[in-house]
Amino acid sequence: GNSVTQMEGPVTLSEEAFLTINCTYTATGYPSLFWYVQYPGEGLQLLLKATKADDKGSNKGFEATYRKETTSFHLEKGSVQVSDSAVYFCALSPSGGSYIPTFGRGTSLIVHP
Amino acid sequence: DAGITQSPRHKVTETGTPVTLRCHQTENHRYMYWYRQDPGHGLRLIHYSYGVKDTDKGEVSDGYSVSRSKTEDFLLTLESATSSQTSVYFCAITPREGQSSGNTIYFGEGSWLTVV
Repeated sequence: GNSVTQMEGPVTLSEEAFLTINCTYTATGYPSLFWYVQYPGEGLQLLLKATKADDKGSNKGFEATYRKETTSFHLEKGSVQVSDSAVYFCALSPSGGSYIPTFGRGTSLIVHP
Repeated sequence: DAGITQSPRHKVTETGTPVTLRCHQTENHRYMYWYRQDPGHGLRLIHYSYGVKDTDKGEVSDGYSVSRSKTEDFLLTLESATSSQTSVYFCAITPREGQSSGNTIYFGEGSWLTVV
């Protein structure tokens, strides 16, 4: 079956540091890949997505590139802010047929001033 | 905004009582899902629906039932609530466009349920 593995947290950074949260996946075919962000007490919001190999999703300074050869979709940001503190989820949605997505367990990011 | 509303947003109930959570959507989306979120477990799929009266079980369906009698409403029922069902419950949808949107999932704001 499909699976998503993301690095365990918490990830603790100082403001303006570089962020990488690793995500790898296992799936057949060509799934779509997503990053979601969840702020305390809120639901999951779509942060960015990529629907085919070599696509780069970007939003709010965050980026992730769909790497088919390494089955990865790592999330990066050049300079984090305190307001980026949240839990980040990597997810995939299968291609064709099933619409059942698979989520990673989430990575908590804590940014200190 | 995918037009998803969950109710109630917060509820405290007693062990053994029935509880129904409602997910309402306004944009005729076909696929709807119920997840629970717990520390250390991430998101776990309870049940999902791919149309009116078409539902199926997810990975943690025991103790839960669902109904979808019309497109816009997807109800999650705990027949006899237990303390292990204390959790945050999220409804989600996949837009009708399907493949063209990359099967993007959109979430409701969550329902916090405490079973005492």
